[in-house]
Amino acid sequence: QVQLKESGPGLVQPSQTLSLTCTVSGFSLTSYSVHWVRQHSGKSLEWMGRMWSDGDTSYNSAFTSRLSISRDTSKSQVFLKMNSLQTEDTGTYYCARIEGAFAYWGQGTLVTVSS
Amino acid sequence: EIVLTQSPTTMAASPGEKVTLNCLASSSVSYMNWYQQKSGASPKLWIYGTSNLASGVPNRFSGSGSGTSYSLTISSMEAEDVATYYCLQLSSYPLTFGSGTKLEIK
Repeated sequence: QVQLKESGPGLVQPSQTLSLTCTVSGFSLTSYSVHWVRQHSGKSLEWMGRMWSDGDTSYNSAFTSRLSISRDTSKSQVFLKMNSLQTEDTGTYYCARIEGAFAYWGQGTLVTVSS
Repeated sequence: EIVLTQSPTTMAASPGEKVTLNCLASSSVSYMNWYQQKSGASPKLWIYGTSNLASGVPNRFSGSGSGTSYSLTISSMEAEDVATYYCLQLSSYPLTFGSGTKLEIK
């Protein structure tokens, strides 16, 4: 079955770079796209960007200057890198396969930005 | 960017009560998806294409709307419906979510 799982450091220091990995199973990254979505504690969801099945990327302009999404299809992994982290970047980060009639989300990974 | 405004922000309903959650878009969208999120869990697709129930969603739920105004309705509130509901537009980038409606039971 379709599964997505986020992994990465739970704690990042301010001004440092966040690196997260989304490992997928049950589908191919060359056939489906993967999104990254962030949620501040108790707050709404914020779309960050998308890795398309053809390898192209789309980003939310709110993050464009410091966000990068890449992938390794051989490992079925999608990567998120975001630099210059601040305390307001604290939250739960999800990777998800979002389509019109279907949606599969990872469990999310909590990232705390603190010194 | 299309801004989605959900109302009410929070509401409490009695068991058996009819509930309507609203989502207003700043520009017209082709359709709306809705997600249910329970505390500590990932969001679940609940309604897609404005009015289609996702797999496993009870038929007391329904969705409607067009253009800039959409709604999710529960015909008869049940305790298991306690959650936060978010609308999501996929019509234009960046994708945007509404601010959410937290639904509680009286």
